[in-house]
Amino acid sequence: RKEVEQDPGPFNVPEGATVAFNCTYSNSASQSFFWYRQDCRKEPKLLMSVYSSGNEDGRFTAQLNRASQYISLLIRDSKLSDSATYLCVVILFSGGYNKLIFGAGTRLAVHP
Amino acid sequence: DAGVIQSPRHEVTEMGQEVTLRCKPISGHDYLFWYRQTMMRGLELLIYFNNNVPIDDSGMPEDRFSAKMPNASFSTLKIQPSEPRDSAVYFCASTPARAGGNNEQFFGPGTRLTVL
Repeated sequence: RKEVEQDPGPFNVPEGATVAFNCTYSNSASQSFFWYRQDCRKEPKLLMSVYSSGNEDGRFTAQLNRASQYISLLIRDSKLSDSATYLCVVILFSGGYNKLIFGAGTRLAVHP
Repeated sequence: DAGVIQSPRHEVTEMGQEVTLRCKPISGHDYLFWYRQTMMRGLELLIYFNNNVPIDDSGMPEDRFSAKMPNASFSTLKIQPSEPRDSAVYFCASTPARAGGNNEQFFGPGTRLTVL
């Protein structure tokens, strides 16, 4: 079983739609959680952190459920520019450092 | 700020040849990471350095892969001999040290390697 699992998609949605991605992780010792965004043929970039109480950044809302070991990302009012791959990232403390473990990503395609 | 710099951006080589990928981290960042990304396996951590010292190389696939960081501003990832299954995008990332922090990693643009 992979340490971080995501639905690969693709999710094809029209502009203005609301879309949600889920991610599950296997290690209950995981400490912190993030969503990274990766555009086609580009490098990953941090989108937002995920806090236990849930957090929002504009149209983006992240949620964490530690009991069920899953993380979610909700995008409201989708824009064409939201088309990208969204990587779920889990942090484990290893070797004296917080090691990032990436999911394989969920691809989102927003169409007019 | 220039960000993380990688070279070359694209590399096409033949099986059996030596390949050297280069990375310049963001100035002042104490940690440097090498990742490999493929469609099949996603983004995998190969090795990381702290203050130029390799800390965890458990992700390096086999002895054909080696990485060095001779100083704070330069690192190399070498594959010798290369094989077609090494074809992937190789990313370098860096992050500053911050006690107890969960640090954002800043990625370079990647090197797209094709081994024929």
